Amino acid sequence: DSGVTQTPKHLITATGQRVTLRCSPRSGDLSVYWYQQSLDQGLQFLIHYYNGEERAKGNILERFSAQQFPDLHSELNLSSLELGDSALYFCASSVVGTSGGHNWAEQFFGPGTRLTVL
Amino acid sequence: GNSVTQMEGPVTLSEEAFLTINCTYTATGYPSLFWYVQYPGEGLQLLLKATKADDKGSNKGFEATYRKETTSFHLEKGSVQVSDSAVYFCALLSTSYGKLTFGQGTILTVHP
Repeated sequence: DSGVTQTPKHLITATGQRVTLRCSPRSGDLSVYWYQQSLDQGLQFLIHYYNGEERAKGNILERFSAQQFPDLHSELNLSSLELGDSALYFCASSVVGTSGGHNWAEQFFGPGTRLTVL
Repeated sequence: GNSVTQMEGPVTLSEEAFLTINCTYTATGYPSLFWYVQYPGEGLQLLLKATKADDKGSNKGFEATYRKETTSFHLEKGSVQVSDSAVYFCALLSTSYGKLTFGQGTILTVHP
């Protein structure tokens, strides 16, 4: 158990609908990352939040948005869903450390939310 | 931009065989390198990491050495078990942006 929780575990919906995926990071972690895993695209970074602020964006569609709340949990909103949005969506949180003067960060992944768009 | 290339799978081995999964990367600066494992129906688990050149990461009998001169981070295990059957992902972390860039994953199946 990584300490990162995601809800729901499974989500089945129809095209054109909107869904919200929720993530709670490990206690003390300020960073939250969202990733999408699909058969054709593999694992792709979507977006990174740090302490409530957006830090980096990856291959995230305009129909998708995210936010991180004051209690540090994060939500990923997916709207106008298409069949191609069916995927496993992972959330991760990170701890930052230093080793030999070199900064590194380790990301801990939640169990994922499997989204099926019919 | 950053990229990670893993050997094509799937890989099928008999129990106690030697495992190598090749991983090479392209990155600017000095990324950290990771191997993650995904067991069927589960999320990603960190298997091992290396944060600078010549570091060797190890865990559960798996090893990988950060080779800057060949931009590689190959995963090895001397004697695989059936329980090692999973998908293995090589990844690099660009600390300037915080995102992980993953390889395409390698499916490993170990038969008794």
